Amino acid sequence: DAKTTQPTSMDCAEGRAANLPCNHSTISGNEYVYWYRQIHSQGPQYIIHGLKNNETNEMASLIITEDRKSSTLILPHATLRDTAVYYCIVKRAAGNKLTFGGGTRVLVKP
Amino acid sequence: NAGVTQTPKFQVLKTGQSMTLQCAQDMNHEYMSWYRQDPGMGLRLIHYSVGAGITDQGEVPNGYNVSRSTTEDFPLRLLSAAPSQTSVYFCASSRDRSEGNTIYFGEGSWLTVV
Repeated sequence: DAKTTQPTSMDCAEGRAANLPCNHSTISGNEYVYWYRQIHSQGPQYIIHGLKNNETNEMASLIITEDRKSSTLILPHATLRDTAVYYCIVKRAAGNKLTFGGGTRVLVKP
Repeated sequence: NAGVTQTPKFQVLKTGQSMTLQCAQDMNHEYMSWYRQDPGMGLRLIHYSVGAGITDQGEVPNGYNVSRSTTEDFPLRLLSAAPSQTSVYFCASSRDRSEGNTIYFGEGSWLTVV
């Protein structure tokens, strides 16, 4: 599975959009980009995933560049409860093993 | 629908003791797995199963055994606990191995080996 690179941490103001970048320059054609988050002392929570096209659900939007070498997770209106570690994971099509990196520690401030 | 349920939530063991972490899911998922998470680190895969009767090793399998006698249950056994196994353990499940599949995690089991 391709390796991902994320900033170690970032702060965001409550009510503003949070844009979380992820680089995955070695991604292959059949690998999906997944985003999970882990709120302190809880199990990882699925947010969104995509292959080529941009995706949106009730939690977030995922923007994938045309060359698929990077992506951005957008939390449109961050709340204090969005404070968590966010993991960008590239997962190959065959199989369900997730390889977690260090993630981005997001702190939403009032 | 309880999702993925792990027990116990907290456990303290002495070195050399054995124990089993229980994991159950009620979503009829074929695929189940166990991860461990050390402080400040991401999750690492211990063992996984693609269906009843089938298990395989992940990234860090040493010191752990698993079995999958039913679709619902996937227990993780520590035969002789070591302090290096102090960690938070997460069980996960998903519908099958196909692409684009969402993986659901339990709330974790905190294990301390003294």
